Amino acid sequence: QVQLLESGGGVVQPGGSLRLSCVASGFTFGTHAMHWVRQAPGKGLEWVSFISWDANTKYYADSVRGRFIVSRDNSRDTLFLQMNSLRAEDTAVYYCSRDLSERYSIDHWGQGAPVNVSS
Amino acid sequence: QSALTQPASVSGSPGQSIAISCTGTSGDVGAYNYVSWFQQHPGKAPELIIYEVSNRPSGISNRFSGSKSGNTASLTISGLRADDEADYYCISFTTSSSWVFGGGTKLTVL
Repeated sequence: QVQLLESGGGVVQPGGSLRLSCVASGFTFGTHAMHWVRQAPGKGLEWVSFISWDANTKYYADSVRGRFIVSRDNSRDTLFLQMNSLRAEDTAVYYCSRDLSERYSIDHWGQGAPVNVSS
Repeated sequence: QSALTQPASVSGSPGQSIAISCTGTSGDVGAYNYVSWFQQHPGKAPELIIYEVSNRPSGISNRFSGSKSGNTASLTISGLRADDEADYYCISFTTSSSWVFGGGTKLTVL
């Protein structure tokens, strides 16, 4: 079955950096686009970023554009999110999720990686 | 990228039907039939229950249905059950090549 396992979360000071990883299994990772979605404590879901299967297309939410970089390594079935210039408002659980091909939706989610930006 | 508008909460009794609205603009909900709905139980990851306005993924009960009119999409849950109590989120693809979620709706089964 489809599994997405995030890692790399933790506590970081404002202005710092963190890189999240997401290892995929149970499907052919290299043929699927992927998303990152986050959820601040007690708040709703916020879409963060999209990357196409071949990494040629990347989209970002306005709130993270210029600070976050999405990438992937299809040879290692792994998705990344490099987060720079972190702010307190970036504190959230970050979900790695699989794109529902050609349906502009998301069909599988990881369990999430918590990120806490705090001094 | 303003969030889509959903009611903060809805409630219903077991066996009843409820509807949750999701209002956007001509740049998102009204632009395409790319509206999805997710169910999220406390402490769990979201689960896809509707995509492309009204399509159900395999394994999702036909008690869940979706529709759209203009800039507003709706999720209807019929035959309410206790385990339907959860948060529900809509999401739409936008003309800016991004996705935008609704603020979420907490469903209480009385």
